[in-house]
This record gives sequence, C-alpha cells and structure tokens, in this order.
Amino acid sequence: DIVMTQSPDSLAVPLGERATINCKTGQNLLYSFDDRNYLAWYQQRPGQPPKLLISWASNRESGVPDRFSGSGSATDFTLTISRLQAEDVAVYYCQQYFSPPYTFGQGTKVEIK
Amino acid sequence: EVQLVESGGGLVQPGGSLTLSCAASGFKFSNFAMSWVRQAPGRGLESVAFFSAGPYYTDSVKGRFTISRDNSRNTLSLQMNSLRVEDTAVYYCAKGVSSGRGLFFDYWGQGALVTVSS
Repeated sequence: DIVMTQSPDSLAVPLGERATINCKTGQNLLYSFDDRNYLAWYQQRPGQPPKLLISWASNRESGVPDRFSGSGSATDFTLTISRLQAEDVAVYYCQQYFSPPYTFGQGTKVEIK
Repeated sequence: EVQLVESGGGLVQPGGSLTLSCAASGFKFSNFAMSWVRQAPGRGLESVAFFSAGPYYTDSVKGRFTISRDNSRNTLSLQMNSLRVEDTAVYYCAKGVSSGRGLFFDYWGQGALVTVSS
C-alpha cells in the first residue's frame, strides 16, 4: 500500500494568514505515460463528509475558492490556503489514486489562532 | 443535483452481519465507479471497497465484506459479515471519478454509523 504522511498534524493560523499543509507519499505519484500526479485533496468540516477540493495535485474543483491551491510533484505535495477564513476550519486529507487501495493521509487539523 | 443517501447502519455484536445501502440520484449511476470509505471515530479515512469494472476490497475486509451494485435501481450495497470491533466507523458512500489508473471521489453521502460492540 502507498503510505501517505501529512505534516503537521495540526496548525493554528490567524485569520487572513497563510496555511500550508504538506503530504509526502511513499511512492512516486507522477505517471510518466501522461505526466500527471495522481493526488487529490479533501476538506472535512466538523460533522460533515469530506469535500473534494483539488484533483491532479493542482486542479481546483469548480466552486472551490481560489485561496485554495495545490502544488508539488512525484512524492511531495502541498495544499496552501492563502488567506485563512473562519469557514476553512476543518481537517484536510490528501489521497493517492495511483493504485489501489486508494490511501489517505492521516489528516491535518486547521484552526484559527 | 447529485445525492447519495446511505441507510442500514446500526449496532451489531461482534461476529454479526449488517448490510448498508446507498441510494444515488442526480447522475447516470451505471457510468460511474462507486466506493465505500469508512472513518473510525476520531480517525482518518479508509477506502474499504469499490466497484469499477468489478469489485475491489482492501485487505482488512477481504472475505468478509461484499460490495454490489444494482444499476437498474441506482443502488450501491455493502454486505458486512463477521464484523469486528475494529469495523466500527461511519461508512460513506462515494462517487468515483475514474482517472485511468484509479479513483478519486467527487461526491460523498452523509454517512451511516456502524457500531460493533457486545
């Protein structure tokens, strides 16, 4: 199974400031055939199911605010929230879809400082 | 509007059985892979089974869980046998986006709680 390790486990950021979440994978997620990274990011607010934010490492889903951005390649990926808003308080997960089982990171909890 | 509604959760004793169902609407169900993803209390996410061209199971549920789908009724099911305490979780039904190599999940249901306890 591909191991997904997020850091930090939690972070507290002042409103309007930047939050950065890292995801390191145990296997290269960049497929040479199509030059795409098979990684997604999800947001899970308290008491809610996960919501897809980003696919293909950097492709923001329709309706997702542009303060969310994804970057990285191969084994190192980053989710950035450029200006943290109160509604961004949540746990964030990365997920690989390079090969089954489709594994998730352990989650990063984002709070307001 | 895509909707996924799970049902069938509840309390069951270790060794018991339970069947979850997911009613899908708002998209052409037969065209998409579907998955069950679970979340133990206070824990992270685990994809336990999906149905694409055929069924796939993670090792921890292989031989105990059976995923099936009825495209005529737009329903996804998960038959869970020989349940263990460690199967206690919220089980989410999720719609898959096929990438060529694998699945990510663009819509999720609200989840069904399964509690395995004596």
